[in-house]
Amino acid sequence: SQQGEEDPQALSIQEGENATMNCSYKTSINNLQWYRQNSGRGLVHLILIRSNEREKHSGRLRVTLDTSKKSSSLLITASRAADTASYFCATNTGGFKTIFGAGTRLFVKA
Amino acid sequence: DAGVTQSPTHLIKTRGQQVTLRCSPISGHKSVSWYQQVLGQGPQFIFQYYEKEERGRGNFPDRFSARQFPNYSSELNVNALLLGDSALYLCASSFGAGHSNQPQHFGDGTRLSIL
Repeated sequence: SQQGEEDPQALSIQEGENATMNCSYKTSINNLQWYRQNSGRGLVHLILIRSNEREKHSGRLRVTLDTSKKSSSLLITASRAADTASYFCATNTGGFKTIFGAGTRLFVKA
Repeated sequence: DAGVTQSPTHLIKTRGQQVTLRCSPISGHKSVSWYQQVLGQGPQFIFQYYEKEERGRGNFPDRFSARQFPNYSSELNVNALLLGDSALYLCASSFGAGHSNQPQHFGDGTRLSIL
C-alpha cells in the first residue's frame, strides 16, 4: 500500500487563487518530498523537507510538515495556468526506498 | 549539463517477450532508482542501486531485474512480459542514497505497451 496519500485527488481553481494539497503518511520518516509531473513527462522535484523541519519555502511554494499528525501540506500561491499538473508527495523512512502517493491532479483555469 | 536520459522513449512488446530499458544518470550521481507508473497512479518503487550494488527492492516479482554499470548508468530488465506490465517506467538519479536527504532527478521515462 502507498505510504503517502494525497488529498484531494483532484482540484480545480481559477488563475490567481491559492492551491493547497495535503499528504498523510503512516510511518516515521526521514524526509518528505514534493514533486510535480506534467502529463506524460517525468517528475520534477519541488521541495524536500527533513523530519526535523516544520516549514520550507521556495518561490510561490510553501511546504509544512507535522510529524505528530504524520501529515504535510503544499501551498501554491497566486496559481498560474502553467501550474496545471499532478503533484505527488514522497517519503523516505531512512532506508533506500522512496514511496510515492497517488497524487493530486491540479487544474488551473485561465 | 544533461539531465537523466532514458531510452527508448516508447516501446511495444507482446506478452511473453523480454525488454531492456536504459538510463543514464546526471553526471556525478551515483544512485539510480527505477519506478513503474501505471496510468493515473503514483510511481511504484522497483529498485535502487547505489555504487553499483542493489540497495533496495520494491514489491515486484523476480521477472524484474536491474544492474548498474561502472559509469553508474543502469538497465532494467523485465522477462515474460504480462499485459499488466504496461506502464511508464521512470528512472531517477541522485548523488547519495535514498536516506541521504537529497532530491531525485527524473528522466521522462520509457512508455512500455504490451499487446
